[in-house]
Amino acid sequence: QQQVKQSPQSLIVQKGGISIINCAYENTAFDYFPWYQQFPGKGPALLIAIRPDVSEKKEGRFTISFNKSAKQFSLHIMDSQPGDSATYFCAASLNQGGKLIFGQGTELSVKP
Amino acid sequence: DVKVTQSSRYLVKRTGEKVFLECVQDMDHENMFWYRQDPGLGLRLIYFSYDVKMKEKGDIPEGYSVSREKKERFSLILESASTNQTSMYLCASRKYNEQFFGPGTRLTVL
Repeated sequence: QQQVKQSPQSLIVQKGGISIINCAYENTAFDYFPWYQQFPGKGPALLIAIRPDVSEKKEGRFTISFNKSAKQFSLHIMDSQPGDSATYFCAASLNQGGKLIFGQGTELSVKP
Repeated sequence: DVKVTQSSRYLVKRTGEKVFLECVQDMDHENMFWYRQDPGLGLRLIYFSYDVKMKEKGDIPEGYSVSREKKERFSLILESASTNQTSMYLCASRKYNEQFFGPGTRLTVL
């Protein structure tokens, strides 16, 4: 019940395309859903986050869509660029960010 | 800028050795975390600390211990390293909802 399941494990997208990464959770008590971005040789860094009282949050080319009834949330990267090539992790937590439960990660490659 | 530093980027140890991984943060954060990252498994929480001298087990604490004697420093200890502890180890500190990660230590146990 504490798991967060992320898919796909890897994704190849052409430059200018839309990248979509999906996550599903079981614990309805989760109240904070961040996405982290990790470049090779670096630690993950917070990209964007959402709380379950909204269905969508947009920051530049990055959008989180949240479906509370389906217990799913997804990251959309519009106009994907080669510089977006990285590993992306979704996560969920109780108590707004205390202990994070991470998904398995998605390795995104954006081809020029 | 928040900075989380880890003592080594790469470490090679032998089975049975005692291993210390050090993490230092410079932003006076109370909460600190140790994760291991493995392909296909994401980040898994080993231990975390809410304050000095306080520690709590995460999801995979077996084979590990931690020490937090000062607020800025959180150490991960492998009492007797084993080959299945070969992994990337990430340290993080937290302010409000955001966790700030160090660059990681890639540990190989031979």
